[in-house]
Amino acid sequence: TQLLEQSPQFLSIQEGENLTVYCNSSSVFSSLQWYRQEPGEGPVLLVTVVTGGEVKKLKRLTFQFGDARKDSSLHITAAQPGDTGLYLCAGASGTYKYIFGTGTRLKVLA
Amino acid sequence: NAGVTQTPKFQVLKTGQSMTLQCAQDMNHNSMYWYRQDPGMGLRLIYYSASEGTTDKGEVPNGYNVSRLNKREFSLRLESAAPSQTSVYFCATAPYSNQPQHFGDGTRLSIL
Repeated sequence: TQLLEQSPQFLSIQEGENLTVYCNSSSVFSSLQWYRQEPGEGPVLLVTVVTGGEVKKLKRLTFQFGDARKDSSLHITAAQPGDTGLYLCAGASGTYKYIFGTGTRLKVLA
Repeated sequence: NAGVTQTPKFQVLKTGQSMTLQCAQDMNHNSMYWYRQDPGMGLRLIYYSASEGTTDKGEVPNGYNVSRLNKREFSLRLESAAPSQTSVYFCATAPYSNQPQHFGDGTRLSIL
């Protein structure tokens, strides 16, 4: 069974701090996605990474795919209260499916 | 708004009752998915439909059935609800399999 483990599970930080969320697996994925989910809503796609070692930036968010395509990280610079939410990684598994990570719940305090 | 619409948004059932969760999309996507989300367990795939006319089991299919009624609609049925099926259910779509997924806002289901 393929697993994607995210760490930390919970994170509470002050506005302006930096943070990194990790997504790890023993399996190789052809691509990996990051989503953010807010209470009462479905997950919303932030980014897709495909190539080992790939780095993508989305404003203050930086996403990296591991060289071996087994892990990924999300770094947020100068976090803001609007970044609060549940962050989920998802790895492409086989032809039709994604495996979702367990999630990191982030709270940014003003 | 274009997107994925799930009905109902909330439902309470008694053990043993049956229910169908509806999902409709107007994005002209080929692939559709049903997930359940439980605390600390992320999203787990119940069933998926890679294209109209096909359905396949995901990670946790027991106790559920699905119907891909047409390209737009993909329903999830609980034939005899159990308390272990209390969860938030999400429908998602993608242009093709293994492409970015678009999610509905979920159905919150409680089974007493």
